[in-house]
Amino acid sequence: EAAVTQSPRNKVTVTGGNVTLSCRQTNSHNYMYWYRQDTGHGLRLIHYSYGAGNLQIGDVPDGYKATRTTQEDFFLLLELASPSQTSLYFCASSTGGQDTQYFGPGTRLLVL
Amino acid sequence: QQKVQQSPESLIVPEGGMASLNCTSSDRNVDYFWWYRQHSGKSPKMLMSIFSNGEKEEGRFTVHLNKASLHTSLHIRDSQPSDSALYLCAAVDTNAYKVIFGKGTHLHVLP
Repeated sequence: EAAVTQSPRNKVTVTGGNVTLSCRQTNSHNYMYWYRQDTGHGLRLIHYSYGAGNLQIGDVPDGYKATRTTQEDFFLLLELASPSQTSLYFCASSTGGQDTQYFGPGTRLLVL
Repeated sequence: QQKVQQSPESLIVPEGGMASLNCTSSDRNVDYFWWYRQHSGKSPKMLMSIFSNGEKEEGRFTVHLNKASLHTSLHIRDSQPSDSALYLCAAVDTNAYKVIFGKGTHLHVLP
């Protein structure tokens, strides 16, 4: 099965803090995604990328930046974290935009 | 408005019973659907996908698709406590290379 790893698994920061979430996939997938999952909202797409250096805006991008440095690595940046960004964040990857997405284990972020 | 609606939000069935979950998209550009399962504290994992009108069966799981109404349903027969999970439906728009997830149905199978 496709392997997607995320770090850290848990993170606590304060309002206004800087946070970087990391994701790595070793499946040679072209597409990578960042989602947040909140009770009552399901999975919401923040940003995605179809290759190194590429970035596409998702459905809930405000307050988030992302960068795809290599085919394997995709980072999510929260430069001025707010309590509303407390959430469970999932990274996923897929071969193509319509192909099965494989999810990482998730990062639980708490912004105090 | 949520483009992928799932119902019910929560479902309780006894062990050995049948669970039926529904999903409808309001986006006419949707071509097919995925069903993902997410156990508590875990990440979502693909359960089944359906591309064509009709029915697809894999073991205890059956998925139906009606493309005209953009409606899909997942049926789990002989439900087991290990089937207790959040079931996520995703609608796939191949032209826009886009996937939209619904909010999910929480299934609880009581022993």
